[in-house]
Amino acid sequence: DAKTTQPNSMESNEEEPVHLPCNHSTISGTDYIHWYRQLPSQGPEYVIHGLTSNVNNRMASLAIAEDRKSSTLILHRATLRDAAVYYCILRAYTGNQFYFGTGTSLTVIP
Amino acid sequence: NAGVTQTPKFQVLKTGQSMTLQCAQDMNHNSMYWYRQDPGMGLRLIYYSASEGTTDKGEVPNGYNVSRLNKREFSLRLESAAPSQTSVYFCASSESVYGQGANNEQFFGPGTRLTVL
Repeated sequence: DAKTTQPNSMESNEEEPVHLPCNHSTISGTDYIHWYRQLPSQGPEYVIHGLTSNVNNRMASLAIAEDRKSSTLILHRATLRDAAVYYCILRAYTGNQFYFGTGTSLTVIP
Repeated sequence: NAGVTQTPKFQVLKTGQSMTLQCAQDMNHNSMYWYRQDPGMGLRLIYYSASEGTTDKGEVPNGYNVSRLNKREFSLRLESAAPSQTSVYFCASSESVYGQGANNEQFFGPGTRLTVL
């Protein structure tokens, strides 16, 4: 199964944009890119997903490289409630199994 | 609409004891999943059920059994608990619709914190 690589931790100042990178060099042409986040002592929750084109929703934006070997989750204005572990996950087009890596722990500084 | 519920929230077992973790969802989802999360690690898939009546192994199935009791319920059983199974266990469900743009968002329960002494 394709794997993802993320930095272990990142910091951001409150109300500033945050760019969380993810490398997935072995991605196949039909793998979806999903992002989930896990707040302290909670289960993960969906953030955003995409296939080839950049995506926006009310929570975040997802920028996907043209060769699809990397992607970036963008939080436009970090708040203290965004402090969490962010997971970049690949999902096969016809599958529904997620394989989580260790994720990036985001610290937001007031 | 409770989403995904798990019982119990906490459990302490002695080595060799057995127990069953219960999971239920009220979203009429087809697929259900069991994950474990060890300290400082990401989630690892134990077993999943793509649809009622089917179950399949995930990454780390050894030492566990599952039962998809009906569309709503998916249980995880530890027959003979070991200290290595100390972990937080999460249940999740998804609609599992395939095709272009399908999200298959997984909804997670609050977790069961299990300690095996």
